Amino acid sequence: NAGVTQTPKFRVLKTGQSMTLLCAQDMNHEYMYWYRQDPGMGLRLIHYSVGEGTTAKGEVPDGYNVSRLKKQNFLLGLESAAPSQTSVYFCASSYLKWNIQYFGAGTRLSVL
Amino acid sequence: AQKVTQAQTEISVVEKEDVTLDCVYETRDTTYYLFWYKQPPSGELVFLIRRNSFDEQNEISGRYSWNFQKSTSSFNFTITASQVVDSAVYFCALSEVLGAQKLVFGQGTRLTINP
Repeated sequence: NAGVTQTPKFRVLKTGQSMTLLCAQDMNHEYMYWYRQDPGMGLRLIHYSVGEGTTAKGEVPDGYNVSRLKKQNFLLGLESAAPSQTSVYFCASSYLKWNIQYFGAGTRLSVL
Repeated sequence: AQKVTQAQTEISVVEKEDVTLDCVYETRDTTYYLFWYKQPPSGELVFLIRRNSFDEQNEISGRYSWNFQKSTSSFNFTITASQVVDSAVYFCALSEVLGAQKLVFGQGTRLTINP
């Protein structure tokens, strides 16, 4: 069981570069989420999706864009990376009726 | 707005001691879910428990137990006879029952169990 898979696991970017983080789930979950984890702040919601073709903003959406073209994939994009986006990024998915989010292993991103 | 507070930033105990992690929450919703997640040194987030707000019965799973008190808006987590493998960061979280079921996390408590 793969569950939730995040790609890549690590990445170093220079300020102004762009990149896309990929999240894939094989559990046929309707809902998917992107969080960032920063020291002393827990996890904060960036964007989320309640179904294929739909996305919405979370608590800290600025500087990020997302897309969900297929039910199993949720992409997080950084168009012009900034040092403030240095963080660990987690993707999660959940089944509508169970309301339990299952997380990927995380992506550690450093922006220099 | 929903808010979760874990006032204990770090806790360090000796193996076999009991330890309680505190969680206090704020919400205007009448129904909601409460969660605990574990983040071991390897970094992944592991789901431990989900509690519905209308079910105040305490739960025990092996060495783990959870005390939910709606009157004080608390959902505390106790590890009995702690082991080194329990060392991790533990997060308490809150979500709405309907809608997108977004999670609001506390700041986390880093628990270190010393041999």
